[in-house]
Amino acid sequence: DAGVTQSPTHLIKTRGQQVTLRCSPKSGHDTVSWYQQALGQGPQFIFQYYEEEERQRGNFPDRFSGHQFPNYSSELNVNALLLGDSALYLCASSFGQGAHYGYTFGSGTRLTVV
Amino acid sequence: DQQVKQNSPSLSVQEGRISILNCDYTNSMFDYFLWYKKYPAEGPTFLISISSIKDKNEDGRFTVFLNKSAKHLSLHIVPSQPGDSAVYFCAASADRDDKIIFGKGTRLHILP
Repeated sequence: DAGVTQSPTHLIKTRGQQVTLRCSPKSGHDTVSWYQQALGQGPQFIFQYYEEEERQRGNFPDRFSGHQFPNYSSELNVNALLLGDSALYLCASSFGQGAHYGYTFGSGTRLTVV
Repeated sequence: DQQVKQNSPSLSVQEGRISILNCDYTNSMFDYFLWYKKYPAEGPTFLISISSIKDKNEDGRFTVFLNKSAKHLSLHIVPSQPGDSAVYFCAASADRDDKIIFGKGTRLHILP
């Protein structure tokens, strides 16, 4: 049984560009949460998708947007990239929205903005 | 504002001894607490959790203690093994449908 799959694993983009990161949740999971982990920091919550809608959002600007598809997979889009957007982007899936259901994390996408 | 604080960036412990990782939180609405472990180039993996109605939860070599009055929790690993070397994240959530908030992590080194 595949766990959470994220693509690509690594990405290099130029300031001002746009990027799309992809996540396939673990089989049976219907909720996807996205986190940003900067170097030396803990994962910071970006947003969560459930039933194809953004249900919760962290303190991130509107340049960060997302989408969830009917098969529960999800995309994270970042527009007008800044150097400070360089980070590991983690996708976590769960059955249900809350922590009590347990989150399963993917290995992440390492984004470098130059 | 860090709602979940791990004030020790790193910790070194001799193999076979006890490792104690500490975590403090500021949000009194948190009612569920988790510990995640992360190896390089991998995503965090769930280790152990505790509900606010309990003060202790044990799973094999791992025990989490919760002191609600002090807003403090700790993870004990006994005995420590080489494979325990990793970054440990303390995390919390406020209700059943709420997001998980993470601390900055503590890097644990198990020394031979």
